[in-house]
Amino acid sequence: SQTIHQWPATLVQPVGSPLSLECTVEGTSNPNLYWYRQAAGRGLQLLFYSVGIGQISSEVPQNLSASRPQDRQFILSSKKLLLSDSGFYLCAKGQIYGYTFGSGTRLTVV
Amino acid sequence: KNEVEQSPQNLTAQEGEFITINCSYSVGISALHWLQQHPGGGIVSLFMLSSGKKKHGRLIATINIQEKHSSLHITASHPRDSAVYICAVMGRGGGADGLTFGKGTHLIIQP
Repeated sequence: SQTIHQWPATLVQPVGSPLSLECTVEGTSNPNLYWYRQAAGRGLQLLFYSVGIGQISSEVPQNLSASRPQDRQFILSSKKLLLSDSGFYLCAKGQIYGYTFGSGTRLTVV
Repeated sequence: KNEVEQSPQNLTAQEGEFITINCSYSVGISALHWLQQHPGGGIVSLFMLSSGKKKHGRLIATINIQEKHSSLHITASHPRDSAVYICAVMGRGGGADGLTFGKGTHLIIQP
């Protein structure tokens, strides 16, 4: 199975509150994992990727961080959310034969 | 960095029409994905292509590697096909490169 579990599907959080989005994957061990964000009116953009446990690379500076505490767990976090953090967040697993996607989380910061 | 352009950005059609959505990219790739995003936001992977053509039900995807172009076709379109369709390309550098996404085509099929 190549399933990716991502939750929650929707989330409304106040400005200044913390955030934790979790993504867990099934299938082949040691996958490349990715967090993408889609802001309003824009395409999905890469936030973080991980090639292994504890290995995180960031593509853009931001108010977010990512962690990979286990091989098949990828977490996106923030200590204090900003209004500009609103958007659609997508977890993905990438391997040489292609990508598998979570269903995404719609985050609204109010 | 690959530039991915989709056209049209918005498309409204009548039920039953044949739909074509286009995707062009600027740098050679190893594969291309077509994704569907419904109004609730969930992403569904429709196709992954590295050459030729694939068909699944009423959906057909083609890719021309030399032209750096892919098309997604929907035959006998139906209101339930209304969604955002996103093209994403996978670089030749391997998985660490991630995907580059187009901005999506917002399709509305009217009954």
